[in-house]
Amino acid sequence: QKEVEQNSGPLSVPEGAIASLNCTYSDRGSQSFFWYRQYSGKSPELIMSIYSNGDKEDGRFTAQLNKASQYVSLLIRDSQPSDSATYLCAVPQIQGAQKLVFGQGTRLTINP
Amino acid sequence: DTAVSQTPKYLVTQMGNDKSIKCEQNLGHDTMYWYKQDSKKFLKIMFSYNNKELIINETVPNRFSPKSPDKAHLNLHINSLELGDSAVYFCASSQGTSDTDTQYFGPGTRLTVL
Repeated sequence: QKEVEQNSGPLSVPEGAIASLNCTYSDRGSQSFFWYRQYSGKSPELIMSIYSNGDKEDGRFTAQLNKASQYVSLLIRDSQPSDSATYLCAVPQIQGAQKLVFGQGTRLTINP
Repeated sequence: DTAVSQTPKYLVTQMGNDKSIKCEQNLGHDTMYWYKQDSKKFLKIMFSYNNKELIINETVPNRFSPKSPDKAHLNLHINSLELGDSAVYFCASSQGTSDTDTQYFGPGTRLTVL
């Protein structure tokens, strides 16, 4: 079983709709979770981080964490064409040395 | 005022050559990383240094040797390059080693081995 799993997509969503990206992880002891966005040919950039169960909102982005079920999701409301990118879920695996383990990424396309 | 910078941006070389990639961060961070992103876009950690000390050393061929001359710099030297080394290499940095510290990525170095 992979440590961090995401649907690779592609996920296609019409402009203005809600895009929902999901991620599951295997280490039940994980405490922190990160969502990165990567445009084609560019480097990953942090979108959201979440540490507690429940929802965390930042503008059009909402991260949701359920530690009991070992999943974390990212919702993008009012999707824009500029949101088209690959979204990477990342989970630190070692305390004291932040080994960030990434999922394979979900490629999202927002259709105008 | 680039936060994490890498040179070169592109590197094309022949099999068997030795090459280096340099990384610098001006964020005042203590921890730096090297990642490899393969053709399937899978991003995997290779090494991490904290205050110039190696703290993460993943299962990477010993042809790859990182070096941190100071906290702001982390270089990656690759000996005897192979076709399978072709990938994008990203440098990253974070304030510390806490699992809540955000990692900031450099622009990447696209290595092509012919």
